[in-house]
Amino acid sequence: DAKTTQPPSMDCAEGRAANLPCNHSTISGNEYVYWYRQIHSQGPQYIIHGLKNNETNEMASLIITEDRKSSTLILPHATLRDTAVYYCIVRDPGGSQGNLIFGKGTKLSVKP
Amino acid sequence: SQTIHQWPATLVQPVGSPLSLECTVEGTSNPNLYWYRQAAGRGLQLLFYSVGIGQISSEVPQNLSASRPQDRQFILSSKKLLLSDSGFYLCAWNRARNTEAFFGQGTRLTVV
Repeated sequence: DAKTTQPPSMDCAEGRAANLPCNHSTISGNEYVYWYRQIHSQGPQYIIHGLKNNETNEMASLIITEDRKSSTLILPHATLRDTAVYYCIVRDPGGSQGNLIFGKGTKLSVKP
Repeated sequence: SQTIHQWPATLVQPVGSPLSLECTVEGTSNPNLYWYRQAAGRGLQLLFYSVGIGQISSEVPQNLSASRPQDRQFILSSKKLLLSDSGFYLCAWNRARNTEAFFGQGTRLTVV
């Protein structure tokens, strides 16, 4: 089972920041938080990951709370092409090396 | 740079027919390899993973099998397809635990 909880859907206006929340209250000390997105009928695309510090790359920023029980993915200036399902994932320590267990994600709709 | 190839992109097969989907990775050695399935409107389910040649682990009991005959080749098979095998099949790879995974573009299988 997925170890994260995300809202099923969100809307965002084009050009505005999209803030996607994720709860992972049972995360353990060595587990990383990963974010992927899946545009319709394509394979998931890696966005960003982090352990405890906030992270930023060319696609997004990841804010992890101090207790690591939740995080937020921020797309600073959402475009129509950012419309996708966004998955927040924590690595499964009971599975194989490097397994990623996907939940249902958040469907982000960016509107003009 | 590393690339992952998955084929075919779409496939329509009759019930009871065999299946063989192939995935290859270029530009890296000894990758972890994964097969996921995504049923219509649902999240990704991990089916198989492999940490080396001939080493296959199954996450869920099912009508499918996987093989890894070469370091960068991962094959998903079935002797007799069921209607419930329809879905979007994705191959993925990563280098090691806690590293990001890269996905292929997927194969959309329809069993009729």
